[in-house]
Amino acid sequence: EPEVTQTPSHQVTQMGQEVILRCVPISNHLYFYWYRQILGQKVEFLVSFYNNEISEKSEIFDDQFSVERPDGSNFTLKIRSTKLEDSAMYFCASSANGETQYFGPGTRLLVL
Amino acid sequence: AQSVTQPDIHITVSEGASLELRCNYSYGATPYLFWYVQSPGQGLQLLLKHFSGDTLVQGIKGFEAEFKRSQSSFNLRKPSVHWSDAAEYFCAVGDAGNMLTFGGGTRLMVKP
Repeated sequence: EPEVTQTPSHQVTQMGQEVILRCVPISNHLYFYWYRQILGQKVEFLVSFYNNEISEKSEIFDDQFSVERPDGSNFTLKIRSTKLEDSAMYFCASSANGETQYFGPGTRLLVL
Repeated sequence: AQSVTQPDIHITVSEGASLELRCNYSYGATPYLFWYVQSPGQGLQLLLKHFSGDTLVQGIKGFEAEFKRSQSSFNLRKPSVHWSDAAEYFCAVGDAGNMLTFGGGTRLMVKP
C-alpha cells in the first residue's frame, strides 16, 4: 500500500539555522499539506499546496516558512531561521482529490 | 471558525470492554469528519471518514463512528478493545482540499 514518507525522522539544529524537511507524497496525489504538533498540543495546520502554489496557509506559516515541490516526487518545508518554539513534530500529508489526507510518520525537529 | 472538541483527555478501559471516544465539532457547513490514530512514535493513521450519507461509518481495526448532525458529534466506538488499541485518537474536521482542524486527542490506555 502506498505511503507518505518523510526524512529525516529526527533533526536537531541550532537556533537561527535553516532546516529543510522532506516529504515524498503518494505518487498520484495532487494535494499536499504540512502540519505540526508541538509536544502535548494539538496537531496544527501550516499550509496546503495544489497546482504548484500555496492554496491556504495558517497564521503560523509566516515569512520564515516556505514550501516547494522541486521535482515530481518531493515536497519540502523550509524554515529559514529556526526558533526554539519551532521544536515540534512536523507531519506531511497528501491527498488524491482533496478529500482524504494521508499522513507521513513525521519529522521530530528539536531546536537548541 | 471550525473547531473540534474531544472532552476526554485520557480514557482507560479493560481489554475486551467496549469503547466510546467523544468528538464534538463546530463547522459552518456540512463537514468532512475523520478519526485518526497515533501510536507512540508513529504518524497519523486514518481509521475512518464521513463525508455524507449513512450516519454510521465503518473503519479499519473494527472501529465505527456515528455522525449525529443534531448534536454536532462524531463519536468513535469499538465493541471489544484489544491491548494493541492503546494509542492516541484524534478527531478532525475539514472540507474538500482544505485544512483539517484537529481535536486535542484522547489517549487510550488498555488494562489487561
